[in-house]
Amino acid sequence: QQQVRQSPQSLTVWEGGTTVLTCSYEDSTFNYFPWYQQFPGEGPALLISILSVSDKKEDGRFTTFFNKREKKLSLHIIDSQPGDSATYFCAARGSSGSWQLIFGSGTQLTVMP
Amino acid sequence: AQTIHQWPVAEIKAVGSPLSLGCTIKGKSSPNLYWYWQATGGTLQQLFYSITVGQVESVVQLNLSASRPKDDQFILSTEKLLLSHSGFYLCAWGGQNTEVFFGKGTRLTVV
Repeated sequence: QQQVRQSPQSLTVWEGGTTVLTCSYEDSTFNYFPWYQQFPGEGPALLISILSVSDKKEDGRFTTFFNKREKKLSLHIIDSQPGDSATYFCAARGSSGSWQLIFGSGTQLTVMP
Repeated sequence: AQTIHQWPVAEIKAVGSPLSLGCTIKGKSSPNLYWYWQATGGTLQQLFYSITVGQVESVVQLNLSASRPKDDQFILSTEKLLLSHSGFYLCAWGGQNTEVFFGKGTRLTVV
């Protein structure tokens, strides 16, 4: 089934803490998983992405992990900052021949100073 | 560098009126183009995609249509707006096996 489940719906962390967002999927043909960050009134911005051939990708304070066996992925934000407060979406796309990027429901993150 | 421009930034339209939204991509030859819709506080739903001029594929039916009159231009339209059309419309570009980048969006309010 082409569905991406994301949790939690909302999350509050203290400044300096670690944020963990998770997503799961069922379609085994999914092989590309981007994470987007969206501020109110703006379009989503690509934050980090991972292919199914990898299990980890790091970019500064942001790391995404991928578990193919469990069909799960996660986004870790270390040293979370108030400026990280935004809505985060995971997404998934299938292998060659698929033009559809399927998004999770989003996680609204608030980082308290 | 590639840039994507969406217009208008916001629209307030009456139910039953026509609509035309557009986006232009500069700095990328023959991009794949996408239209997405986002309800307030909701997720992103892909509406259309186009891989070449003159060809548009529909992903979900929402009484909307799309056209690609030029390589760098993507148009979303309808002849009669419904209240349910309200939301945030996002144009994006990318490739089948590459990253997808979004524009700043158009906020549509149907009254």
